[in-house]
Amino acid sequence: SYVLTQPPSVSVAPGKTARITCGGNNIGSKSVHWYQQKPGQAPVLVVYYDTDRPSGIPERFSGSNSGNTATLTISRVEAGDEADYYCQVWDSISDHVVFGGGTKLTVL
Amino acid sequence: QVQLVESGGGVVQPGRSLRLSCAASKFTFSRYGMHWVRQAPGKGLEWVAFISYDGIKKYYADSVKGRFTISRDNLKNTLYLQMNSLRAEDTALYYCAKDPFQGVVMTTFLDYWGQGNLVTVSS
Repeated sequence: SYVLTQPPSVSVAPGKTARITCGGNNIGSKSVHWYQQKPGQAPVLVVYYDTDRPSGIPERFSGSNSGNTATLTISRVEAGDEADYYCQVWDSISDHVVFGGGTKLTVL
Repeated sequence: QVQLVESGGGVVQPGRSLRLSCAASKFTFSRYGMHWVRQAPGKGLEWVAFISYDGIKKYYADSVKGRFTISRDNLKNTLYLQMNSLRAEDTALYYCAKDPFQGVVMTTFLDYWGQGNLVTVSS
């Protein structure tokens, strides 16, 4: 079935920009969604349909998707952004929801 | 605000069964598809199953197909996950989550999640 590959960890200094990638075969042809999960909490949707933000999610969170890589970009990173981030697609071939392995964002 | 509250978890021996429930409120449950997603301790998210709003379409992860059954009672606003032949590797926090669009049998993403319920499979 379809596989999504994320780096296990990304580190960034406060105020800088973090980019978290999600790789998949021709992922640009799919819609990619991103979730933030803080320790001990349920996941929260932060980006859907590649680039859209749910209400209440800061504009600092943005997404892009092209070719074999989707990217979640967090601008002006804050300490409160420290969390695990997961990408997700719907694989219509297998009728499966697929999650990436997750990326731990560390704010230095 | 959407509310999803899971229950029914606990410690169970390998090979036994358990049924999880997810009580939904603050939205029209009968109009939305629903999911179960699990997370083993210290691990990432793993999708388990999806059921369409009308209960007709059901999809399962390969790891649980034939052992788990997703169902719903739209009169009781409750989602279920019947788990049979449980294995140690089924140990996880189980989340129920909601689909964003009403009245459709396909799924896209998960817009609201419950807080999860822990299932531990151990002898």
